[in-house]
Amino acid sequence: DQQVKQNSPSLSVQEGRISILNCDYTNSMFDYFLWYKKYPAEGPTFLISISSIKDKNEDGRFTVFLNKSAKHLSLHIVPSQPGDSAVYFCAASAGNNNDMRFGAGTRLTVKP
Amino acid sequence: NAGVTQTPKFQVLKTGQSMTLQCAQDMNHNSMYWYRQDPGMGLRLIYYSASEGTTDKGEVPNGYNVSRLNKREFSLRLESAAPSQTSVYFCASSPTTNEKLFFGSGTQLSVL
Repeated sequence: DQQVKQNSPSLSVQEGRISILNCDYTNSMFDYFLWYKKYPAEGPTFLISISSIKDKNEDGRFTVFLNKSAKHLSLHIVPSQPGDSAVYFCAASAGNNNDMRFGAGTRLTVKP
Repeated sequence: NAGVTQTPKFQVLKTGQSMTLQCAQDMNHNSMYWYRQDPGMGLRLIYYSASEGTTDKGEVPNGYNVSRLNKREFSLRLESAAPSQTSVYFCASSPTTNEKLFFGSGTQLSVL
């Protein structure tokens, strides 16, 4: 069962505009949420995270929003840059459980 | 800065052959993981090792075995490869459980 879902396989935005990537989860025990970025032929790299006690976390151009009641989180990238073009994975884990669950990924393309 | 190193990067096997994927980290992390990435499925946890001397099954352990050789090294073995094991395999590590993961660059495995 896919406990973390990214329903948009791809997203295309213009350079300078906002990119919004969405993620839904089903397991109410998840309390730690992360976004990873992956370039071709490389492993995923950590981008930003948020714990369930917060509803927003910001790091430069990247902001993650968490809506626990809707079991939904989103990643905002403002302004988007061509170098942001990559696959973005949403991930979630619960307590001390090592089983971090990943979504299927969203391929972001930022056009110059 | 090596981080997490995986070998080999590419491998082609025939059905029934065996092989071991090697992984080493130089960040003094306690926890190590093996994931597989398949199209439309995201990353799925095969096995993990919360600390040296311990290993546990993840979401998709069937057909695999692991060895936590020491704190640095965590290997994944396919005893009798099957076409369903064609995938990209990622090793990852984290300081302790439920923290962000640091990934290797992956092994692309094809089983014919």
